[in-house]
Amino acid sequence: NAGVTQTPKFQVLKTGQSMTLQCAQDMNHEYMSWYRQDPGMGLRLIHYSVGAGITDQGEVPNGYNVSRSTTEDFPLRLLSAAPSQTSVYFCASGRLAGQETQYFGPGTRLLVL
Amino acid sequence: GDSVTQMEGPVTLSEEAFLTINCTYTATGYPSLFWYVQYPGEGLQLLLKATKADDKGSNKGFEATYRKETTSFHLEKGSVQVSDSAVYFCALNADTGRRALTFGSGTRLQVQP
Repeated sequence: NAGVTQTPKFQVLKTGQSMTLQCAQDMNHEYMSWYRQDPGMGLRLIHYSVGAGITDQGEVPNGYNVSRSTTEDFPLRLLSAAPSQTSVYFCASGRLAGQETQYFGPGTRLLVL
Repeated sequence: GDSVTQMEGPVTLSEEAFLTINCTYTATGYPSLFWYVQYPGEGLQLLLKATKADDKGSNKGFEATYRKETTSFHLEKGSVQVSDSAVYFCALNADTGRRALTFGSGTRLQVQP
């Protein structure tokens, strides 16, 4: 199993550009989520999904869109990139039942100029 | 709202020294508690977890005990190695429906030979 994969590993954008960060998991997990990691602030939840067709907002959703058309994929879209979105983005997945472990991808480092 | 407070880093230790990283939390109900580790250039990996009061999580020589009376989940290891150098995150999940993790700001550990 590949686990949780993310692409790209690194991206540079100009202010106002749009892009999609890809996330895929092959563990048949119902739950998937996106976090951003900023220095001194830990990780903060952007959006999450509890199954195909179901998404909801986390702590810092503004400027980001998500969709969940399949169990495996959970892309994160930046509609109009801003320098404040410079961060490291992590995707995670896990089972819904109980307190199962969440598995994190390797991250995407995004720089917005 | 829910929150996690970790001791500031970096923590610098010599090899074979005793490690304690403090973590306290604020949450409604009975959260599950986690320690995640992030090695340089990698994503987060679950180190250990505890789901109810007085539970002790352990893995790779690390331990943490869920103390409800002091709302704490301190991470300890009796003898650290250079390979333990990483950033350690304390986290909680107080809402099993959302499965959202609330993270502390992280503590960087540097172990010197």
